[in-house]
Amino acid sequence: AQKVTQAQTEISVVEKEDVTLDCVYETRDTTYYLFWYKQPPSGELVFLIRRNSFDEQNEISGRYSWNFQKSTSSFNFTITASQVVDSAVYFCALSEATGGFKTIFGAGTRLFVKA
Amino acid sequence: DAGVIQSPRHEVTEMGQEVTLRCKPISGHDYLFWYRQTMMRGLELLIYFNNNVPIDDSGMPEDRFSAKMPNASFSTLKIQPSEPRDSAVYFCASGPWGRQGNTIYFGEGSWLTVV
Repeated sequence: AQKVTQAQTEISVVEKEDVTLDCVYETRDTTYYLFWYKQPPSGELVFLIRRNSFDEQNEISGRYSWNFQKSTSSFNFTITASQVVDSAVYFCALSEATGGFKTIFGAGTRLFVKA
Repeated sequence: DAGVIQSPRHEVTEMGQEVTLRCKPISGHDYLFWYRQTMMRGLELLIYFNNNVPIDDSGMPEDRFSAKMPNASFSTLKIQPSEPRDSAVYFCASGPWGRQGNTIYFGEGSWLTVV
């Protein structure tokens, strides 16, 4: 069965600090997709990034970067030089190719960035 | 393109009343999902449809909950009778099968309070 674990419930940092959000997943499939979503205080869920299981290249988008390591079943998210606007709940999610399109989410990590 | 549209955005109802939440998915998306978000249980997948057909409803909490998708552009989630423990944010999401790697996109959510 698929499972996503985000062990960090809350993280608090001061603006301009770097912060890494951890995500560990479990799956028996060889083909799967991993995602990160952001939920700001306004409540909507915003898609940030998708990786498939065959592409372990790390990705950088501005201040955001993602580290995908199949060997440790992890898909971690780093925010460099954090800003107050980064304050949100961040969810990691997993979708197995053989599971149809079923996407399950981790419990989320609440990030507080203080000015 | 318009995103996923949900209505109502907010609903307050009395215990025992019927509640109907509505969703219009993104045009062209084959999959539609209903999630529920609470503090205690996080983001739970309730049910999802493929081409208007329910694929997995194992997350529906009990018989008081039902979901339909009469056509490709409309879905409802009904709770009858409602109970205070149903208070939550209900998200609808949609995604295109075979494209964009199983990525799903969320509506803004329907905030339900049962008193």
